[in-house]
Amino acid sequence: GQQVMQIPQYQHVQEGEDFTTYCNSSTTLSNIQWYKQRPGGHPVFLIQLVKSGEVKKQKRLTFQFGEAKKNSSLHITATQTTDVGTYFCAGGAGGGNKLTFGTGTQLKVEL
Amino acid sequence: NAGVTQTPKFQVLKTGQSMTLQCAQDMNHEYMSWYRQDPGMGLRLIHYSVGAGITDQGEVPNGYNVSRSTTEDFPLRLLSAAPSQTSVYFCASSRQGPGANVLTFGAGSRLTVL
Repeated sequence: GQQVMQIPQYQHVQEGEDFTTYCNSSTTLSNIQWYKQRPGGHPVFLIQLVKSGEVKKQKRLTFQFGEAKKNSSLHITATQTTDVGTYFCAGGAGGGNKLTFGTGTQLKVEL
Repeated sequence: NAGVTQTPKFQVLKTGQSMTLQCAQDMNHEYMSWYRQDPGMGLRLIHYSVGAGITDQGEVPNGYNVSRSTTEDFPLRLLSAAPSQTSVYFCASSRQGPGANVLTFGAGSRLTVL
């Protein structure tokens, strides 16, 4: 079945440093979504990418979808303590609603 | 607008006991799903439903049953709990259709099986 891997599993940064997490799928995706889960909370939707090579920005967050639609990345510029949490990618394939989640990257930001 | 409501938030069971995790949504979403979250494993799909009366298995369905008698409710049943089912369970829903599969999650149910 479809597998979605994320690296790194953990990342500690100093506040103000940049952060990137990478997501790779074993199969071609129809869309990819990113979610953020704060400690003790539930995943919350951030963004969806559907086009090959698509790049979207949300303030300090930049999301990319690979040309082959099998990989994606999330880059945070100048991290803040409010960025702390676990970031998940989730891939959709075919026309259905099922999403396969990546293993997540836990981000810790130190002052 | 409550969104996705899960109950209970916490539950402790003994091995072999049965229980039902409740999930209800008020957004008229056709698609509903259950995930379990374990450290280092991400979110794994247990069962899902694309509408009332229709359910299907996800990645890790063994030991769990579901039903979907109404659009709003999607309960998850553990028939005979095992320690391996200790986890945090999330219910999530979305609309149907291309590009519409953005999930809204409930707050989660933390289950411990002794």
